[in-house]
Amino acid sequence: EDQVTQSPEALRLQEGESSSLNCSYTVSGLRGLFWYRQDPGKGPEFLFTLYSAGEEKEKERLKATLTKKESFLHITAPKPEDSATYLCAVRGTGRRALTFGSGTRLQVQP
Amino acid sequence: DGGITQSPKYLFRKEGQNVTLSCEQNLNHDAMYWYRQDPGQGLRLIYYSQIVNDFQKGDIAEGYSVSREKKESFPLTVTSAQKNPTAFYLCASSITGWVELSNQPQHFGDGTRLSIL
Repeated sequence: EDQVTQSPEALRLQEGESSSLNCSYTVSGLRGLFWYRQDPGKGPEFLFTLYSAGEEKEKERLKATLTKKESFLHITAPKPEDSATYLCAVRGTGRRALTFGSGTRLQVQP
Repeated sequence: DGGITQSPKYLFRKEGQNVTLSCEQNLNHDAMYWYRQDPGQGLRLIYYSQIVNDFQKGDIAEGYSVSREKKESFPLTVTSAQKNPTAFYLCASSITGWVELSNQPQHFGDGTRLSIL
């Protein structure tokens, strides 16, 4: 059974204070690891897909990395508008849909 | 703009009532999905459909039903058999649902929040 654990559950940062969110996973045959951003009352917004260990992807202040057991979402010099819940999900061989973690609620204070 | 439209945004269910949540996409995606989100929990899969006239149960299908008569539409019915229906329901789609091409991301609508009266 595929499993995803995200930590911390919540994170409060000052504007400009860089940090990382963790996503640990167990999956049978990783087909892809996905990061999403979710604002309150909205659906998740796709950010990145990572396919293999060692891969990195960047978008503005966000950078996602992947190892064989976990993924990190690094946030460099965050701004208040980066405040959201960040969700990690995996898709394994033979499973038609994603397995999600419970997310990290990020709050960036000015 | 292409996207996924869910309606209504808020829905209330009375005891013993069935309610239907709408999901429409104009992305020309083959695969569509329904998830349920509860506070502090990850999204859980209710049903998915890889192609028109085909759908499969997910992890928590009891008390729910779906249909896929058109490529762009995948409505979800929450039946009276679902004893704890209060949640945020999310519809998603992807280019394809087939395992061989399963590294495509899913794109989500903005959800329907269902509550019990």
